Amino acid sequence: DSGVTQTPKHLITATGQRVTLRCSPRSGDLSVYWYQQSLDQGLQFLIHYYNGEERAKGNILERFSAQQFPDLHSELNLSSLELGDSALYFCASSGSIDRGGDTEAFFGQGTRLTVV
Amino acid sequence: AQKITQTQPGMFVQEKEAVTLDCTYDTSDPSYGLFWYKQPSSGEMIFLIYQGSYDQQNATEGRYSLNFQKARKSANLVISASQLGDSAMYFCAMRERDTGGFKTIFGAGTRLFVKA
Repeated sequence: DSGVTQTPKHLITATGQRVTLRCSPRSGDLSVYWYQQSLDQGLQFLIHYYNGEERAKGNILERFSAQQFPDLHSELNLSSLELGDSALYFCASSGSIDRGGDTEAFFGQGTRLTVV
Repeated sequence: AQKITQTQPGMFVQEKEAVTLDCTYDTSDPSYGLFWYKQPSSGEMIFLIYQGSYDQQNATEGRYSLNFQKARKSANLVISASQLGDSAMYFCAMRERDTGGFKTIFGAGTRLFVKA
């Protein structure tokens, strides 16, 4: 158990809908990262939050947004869903941004999103 | 251009033998981190080993070691004494600075099959 919790584990929704994925980082971790894993694109970095602030953005679509709350949990919001958004969405957490990058990043179990 | 390259889509190894999974990277950031993760068929991402760009010695974690050749921009994973449970997908990843945070780029992965 990595200590990172993602809910829900599975999600099936229709095209055009909006969903919210939730991530609770390990206790004390300030950084949360979101990733998308799909068959055609592989593992893609989406966004990095540190202590409530957005710090880095990757290949995140404009239809997607994220935030990190004062209790450090994070949510990834996906809207106007398309079939191609079907993927496994991971979040990961780590402790400190100040050491030039962390030595480990702990991943949640992922949320498998299926858009039909 | 690919920033992380894993040239071996699939590898076979006999149980109890050692195997090397290749990874090359490209970055202009002098301070970066290199990671290896294991993804079994169940889907979770398991952190294996980390190498910082300024680390003088190769990282080791149990049966895993990272052969870090900075000048060649190479970070190969060596698994010693392979076990059947090592059969999985293995991802090399690089974390580099991006504005105020970090972004992580993953390779396409290598699927390892351990034969009894």
